[in-house]
Amino acid sequence: QVQLQGSGPGLVKPSETLSLTCNVSGGSMSSHYWSWIRQPPGQGLEWIGYVFYSGSTVYSPSLRSRVTISVDTSKNQFSLRLNSVTAADTAVYYCASLSTGDMSFDYWGQGTLVTVSS
Amino acid sequence: QSVLTQPPSVSAAPGQKVTISCSGSTSNIGNNYVSWYQQFPGTAPKLLIYDNNKRPSGIPDRFSGSKSGSSATLGITGLQTGDEADYYCGAWDSSLSVVVFGGGTKLTVL
Repeated sequence: QVQLQGSGPGLVKPSETLSLTCNVSGGSMSSHYWSWIRQPPGQGLEWIGYVFYSGSTVYSPSLRSRVTISVDTSKNQFSLRLNSVTAADTAVYYCASLSTGDMSFDYWGQGTLVTVSS
Repeated sequence: QSVLTQPPSVSAAPGQKVTISCSGSTSNIGNNYVSWYQQFPGTAPKLLIYDNNKRPSGIPDRFSGSKSGSSATLGITGLQTGDEADYYCGAWDSSLSVVVFGGGTKLTVL
């Protein structure tokens, strides 16, 4: 069973870069797409993008200009970088495994609340 | 404004059945698989239904999914107070090349 553990700073200053990492255990990095999803306080889910073990990526058009998702298969982890953050980027950020077949998120990390504030 | 449309809230009594609708278009639900997620306050979403109507191991058969055209439905029978949660539908959108979600439906078990 795949387990995901996200980590990273809970507070980021406006205009700076948000960086989070997700450690993957219990599964092969080649078995899924590895994805980030965020949820602003009191709101719904927003998909950010995914990376495959090969390094290929797909991003949400609304965030594409500011986001980078990368993978390090040697460490069984993948990462999110979101630059030029504003208060609107304050959210709980989830890492999740995305099934390559039916595009469902079958395993989720616990979530990391990131607040953008000076 | 979410690409997939869900009712903001539904409610029913314990033991009853409830359905939650999810409406989309041919670019998402109409031609791709639908998944459903359950989320309790302060916790990560959990996969309930994948591939339109399949349940992951450990999900009770009180939960069911169906799809017709560009709409999908989550059904929950034998409602329990422990089912009170937010429910989200999701699907790949072939036109936008993104995963899209519904806005979420809050289930209240009266």
